[in-house]
Amino acid sequence: SQTIHQWPATLVQPVGSPLSLECTVEGTSNPNLYWYRQAAGRGLQLLFYSVGIGQISSEVPQNLSASRPQDRQFILSSKKLLLSDSGFYLCACRGQGNTEAFFGQGTRLTVV
Amino acid sequence: DAKTTQPPSMDCAEGRAANLPCNHSTISGNEYVYWYRQIHSQGPQYIIHGLKNNETNEMASLIITEDRKSSTLILPHATLRDTAVYYCIVWASNTGKLIFGQGTTLQVKP
Repeated sequence: SQTIHQWPATLVQPVGSPLSLECTVEGTSNPNLYWYRQAAGRGLQLLFYSVGIGQISSEVPQNLSASRPQDRQFILSSKKLLLSDSGFYLCACRGQGNTEAFFGQGTRLTVV
Repeated sequence: DAKTTQPPSMDCAEGRAANLPCNHSTISGNEYVYWYRQIHSQGPQYIIHGLKNNETNEMASLIITEDRKSSTLILPHATLRDTAVYYCIVWASNTGKLIFGQGTTLQVKP
């Protein structure tokens, strides 16, 4: 079965600092990969998804970017964090076919 | 945009069946119905999915209407640990996007 590694679990960063969140996947190849953000008390907002290496689709204009340098690695980045970037960031993975998506345990980011 | 509509909240008594409805009137023929739940501060957890037949697993049952325009997730004997936000999603294998709606907050009460 698929396993998603997402770290760190919590992160406190000052405004204007850079961000790099990494997600790696085991147990599947050529998966679809996703980054979501969840603000406090809100639903899951799809930020980026990728159907293959180097292929990134952005869903919402924002201060963030994503990259997929390897098949099972998905990175979320920012050059300068804003207060509004605070939230719970989740990475998800879906294998080929009509399979379910698996989620990581998330990173809770607080920008201060 | 999410293609499903769910009530924002529901209550259920512990030990009773919880029936969570979902409308997906614009579902396409190749789209499956998926259900996930999210317990506070955790990543969403897969529950069940189906195309047009009813499905059952160790967690829940999924009832899909014949016209596929709506479905119901059934937790047969709800426990306090089933308190969570439940998301209904329609999704096709050839679609990259996975969009969540606002979900239903289920509160199981003793």
